[in-house]
Parts: sequence; structure tokens; C-alpha cells
Amino acid sequence: DQQVKQNSPSLSVQEGRISILNCDYTNSMFDYFLWYKKYPAEGPTFLISISSIKDKNEDGRFTVFLNKSAKHLSLHIVPSQPGDSAVYFCAASYGKLTFGQGTILTVHP
Amino acid sequence: KAGVTQTPRYLIKTRGQQVTLSCSPISGHRSVSWYQQTPGQGLQFLFEYFSETQRNKGNFPGRFSGRQFSNSRSEMNVSTLELGDSALYLCASSIGTVNQPQHFGDGTRLSIL
Repeated sequence: DQQVKQNSPSLSVQEGRISILNCDYTNSMFDYFLWYKKYPAEGPTFLISISSIKDKNEDGRFTVFLNKSAKHLSLHIVPSQPGDSAVYFCAASYGKLTFGQGTILTVHP
Repeated sequence: KAGVTQTPRYLIKTRGQQVTLSCSPISGHRSVSWYQQTPGQGLQFLFEYFSETQRNKGNFPGRFSGRQFSNSRSEMNVSTLELGDSALYLCASSIGTVNQPQHFGDGTRLSIL
């Protein structure tokens, strides 16, 4: 029973363009959503979050959008940089965090 | 500000043994959560401790247990180790109030021979 799904295992983007990572969830009780970035041999690094009472949150190059009716979450990175290449996890919270399987983002120079 | 510290970074054990992993949270953080990461299952929640009490629990067998001390440091214990317990074990800390992000350590890589 995978309550949080990232359907794209990988995404390849040119430097300077927009990266859009997507996430779908099934549990309507989730009230807080987060995105993490993970490099090999390191723990996940918190990027940005959004409460269920909002539909958009921005932090520099990172913007998270939440569509509650579609149970869909997305992360936009603009402009993308080679250093953004990593695995990106979305997570949803209702007391405890449930993670998606991750999307490998590769940004080409 | 120091981040979440996990020790040891690497550990090799054999089947049937037990193991204890340690986690020191960010100063001021009262909540500590533990996760298991494997290639097949991804990141799975084990349990969360807040003010020395287990506040949430995932779907893992009783061989997996934890505790939290008065200084918020936490330990996780796995008894009667199985080959399938080989994984990266991650600890995360947060302030502990609602809608606050968790911050992760770099994990302990446990290998079972």
C-alpha cells in the first residue's frame, strides 16, 4: 500500500531550464508535505515544505505546489543547476512521515 | 549549528547477533525518528520518540526497538539480526511540534553476513 508515489524514477534536464518533479498521494489525512534531496552516502537534506492549508510555497529557486483535490504535489526548480543533480524524495505527514520512492534528477551542463 | 550525528557510520554483524545504533539530535530538538532505507522498500518509518516516550510506530517487528534519553539522544536496537536487516538506518530530529521539518543524519550502514 504505497500512499505516496513518485511515478518518474528519473528526470534529465538541461542546465538553466526548469525541473519539475511530481508526487501523488492517496491518504487525504496528510496535512504537511515536504521535499528532500539526497546525495549518495549522505542523509536526506530538507529543501522545502508546504502545509495543506496552502497551495504554493517558494524558497529561492524552489517552489512547491499542492493540489489537494488531485492529491498531487510538485517541486519546481528554476533555473536548474548541475549541483541540483541528486535523488529527490517527496514526503507526506500525518503524525509520521511517509516517503515516495524518489526521482533521480540529472542536470546536464 | 551541529547537525544530527549518527554513530557508527558502518557496522558489520552476523545473523543472530544484536546491534545498537546511536543518534544525537540537533540541539533543542526533542523529537527523534528512525527510518530504514533499502533499495527495494525505500525509506520506511520505524518509530518516533518525543520527550523520552514513543509517540509513533511503524510496521516493523518487535525485534526493532528504541529509546530516548533525557538529553534527547536516542538509541535503536535490533535483536536476532536477519540478512534482510541489511540497510541504511537514518535518524532524523525535529523540534517536535506540528508541521516542522525533520532533519536527517548521514545514517549507519548495517551489513549482515
